[in-house]
Amino acid sequence: KNQVEQSPQSLIILEGKNCTLQCNYTVSPFSNLRWYKQDTGRGPVSLTIMTFSENTKSNGRYTATLDADTKQSSLHITASQLSDSASYICVVTPYGNNRLAFGKGNQVVVIP
Amino acid sequence: NAGVTQTPKFQVLKTGQSMTLQCAQDMNHNSMYWYRQDPGMGLRLIYYSASEGTTDKGEVPNGYNVSRLNKREFSLRLESAAPSQTSVYFCATASLPQETQYFGPGTRLLVL
Repeated sequence: KNQVEQSPQSLIILEGKNCTLQCNYTVSPFSNLRWYKQDTGRGPVSLTIMTFSENTKSNGRYTATLDADTKQSSLHITASQLSDSASYICVVTPYGNNRLAFGKGNQVVVIP
Repeated sequence: NAGVTQTPKFQVLKTGQSMTLQCAQDMNHNSMYWYRQDPGMGLRLIYYSASEGTTDKGEVPNGYNVSRLNKREFSLRLESAAPSQTSVYFCATASLPQETQYFGPGTRLLVL
């Protein structure tokens, strides 16, 4: 069973609108949770990182939240732009373990 | 700084052929990783090297070997390629195992 589940698998949004991506995980205990952005044909790039004690972290128009009690995280994109079209991957680092747990990604398409 | 570089960018192999994927980093990072990414699946760890001189198996090591040549370089070898190894391969590096991983641009491999 995948330890990191993301939803929705894909979504299409209009330019300028907001959207929220969800990540549910079972990894426990964990050191941190990251959101990566992967543009088509490129490697993933880190957007945000939160330790287990943090609730929110922002990076420009991207805001990530973390609820360690319910083991849920979300990534909110504000005022979407065409360049936000990408896959967003939720990654959890197990405590004391080098092997990251990757979600399958949320595929976002922003249309004009 | 180039960051993380991978060669080649694309490769087509016939079943049974061998090849080596190269990864180099100029970030002075200790840890290096090889992943594969297949459609509909998350990134899966093949092998990693927590520090120079050490290598360990990841989630899907069968059919692969690795060499941590020095601190900068980490190569992945397919001794006898199979169609199931058709994938996009990403190299990643981190200063320490628990830190943010930085990914290369990927190598797209097709095995016929």
